[in-house]
Parts: sequence; C-alpha cells; structure tokens
Amino acid sequence: AQTVTQSQPEMSVQEAETVTLSCTYDTSESDYYLFWYKQPPSRQMILVIRQEAYKQQNATENRFSVNFQKAAKSFSLKISDSQLGDAAMYFCAYRSAFQSDMRFGAGTRLTVKP
Amino acid sequence: NAGVTQTPKFQVLKTGQSMTLQCAQDMNHEYMSWYRQDPGMGLRLIHYSVGAGITDQGEVPNGYNVSRSTTEDFPLRLLSAAPSQTSVYFCASSYTSGIGGELFFGEGSRLTVL
Repeated sequence: AQTVTQSQPEMSVQEAETVTLSCTYDTSESDYYLFWYKQPPSRQMILVIRQEAYKQQNATENRFSVNFQKAAKSFSLKISDSQLGDAAMYFCAYRSAFQSDMRFGAGTRLTVKP
Repeated sequence: NAGVTQTPKFQVLKTGQSMTLQCAQDMNHEYMSWYRQDPGMGLRLIHYSVGAGITDQGEVPNGYNVSRSTTEDFPLRLLSAAPSQTSVYFCASSYTSGIGGELFFGEGSRLTVL
C-alpha cells in the first residue's frame, strides 16, 4: 500500500519569510496525484495545491509552490512571504490514478511568528 | 452551495451506545468516504463508496458500518461505541478516481466516547 511520510511534526517561520515543508511517499505506480491540504484551527480541510505525476512542471498557486521530484518520490511545499493566516496544520496526500482512496501523511504544524 | 454537510458537529457518547454520523453532498459526486483524524496519525480511511449501492473498507473499518442508498448520502454508523473511537471524523467526496480529483471535505464531527 502507498504510504506518505511527513518527517517534520512542527515547523515555524517568521512572518514574510519562506518556509519549506517536506513530504515523501512510497508507490510502485507511475500515474498518480499529489496534494497539499491546509487545516486551520477551524478544522476545515482546504486544498492548497495539486500536482499531477505526469507533469514535469512544478505546480504553483500564488505564494505556494511545490518541488516535485518523481524519481526521489519527494513532494515539498514552499510558502513564500509567509503570513499569519498561513498558521495551520498541513497535510501531504497521495491519490492513485487507479484506486479510489487518498492517503495522508501525519501532518506538519506550521507556526508563523509576527 | 452547501458542498459536503456533516452532522452532528459534536457528540458525546457512553461506551456501548450506537450512533450515526450523517453526511450529504450536493455536487453529484460518485465517490464518498469517511476518515478519522487522530493526533500524530493524519487522516485514516474508514470506509468509502464509489457509487450508490457500492461500499468498501478502508484502512481502519472495525467498529463502523456504512451504506450508500443514494448518490447524495453516506452515513457512518458506530455499532457499539468504544473509547478508542474518540476522534474527529471527516466525510469527503469527489468525482470518481482516475482523474486525480481533489477531495471535498465536510467540517468534521468531534466524537467523544466516555
């Protein structure tokens, strides 16, 4: 079964600085999708960014970008110009193109210091 | 646009009691699923459904039951609640797998079993 590993339980960043959250995954498949979800204190799960494995170009969404290394099975999230509202739990997730379920990492709690 | 609606948002049960968490979506999604979220463990899949009349087990199905009689609804039943089922539960839906669809989440239900 596919597994997703987030090795950083907690991270902190100064407001306006850049932070990178790490994620690795294990799969034998070649076609899949990767996601980063944000969970603020409200508990709502919010999609931050999505990457298709067949695309070599790294996905970007405003201040959020990923570094997708398919051979290394690595999928890190970079947050630029960090804002207080970025403070949340961040989950990395994997979804196969051939199976229904989405697998999540254990999460990284990000603190933003003013 | 309601999206995914979960009820109740909070519930306290005594050991041995049964209850049903309700989930409804209005996006005509074929795929629906239930996750539980525990500290340090991310989100783990309990049960999922790829369409009306079709359900399957996820990673942690024991103690839970589901059914899918309509496209819109996917209730989760706790048959005999145990303290180990104290958790936050999320219902999520998407279009069918294979197209890399993101999961859309409900707001979560916090369940405490005494």
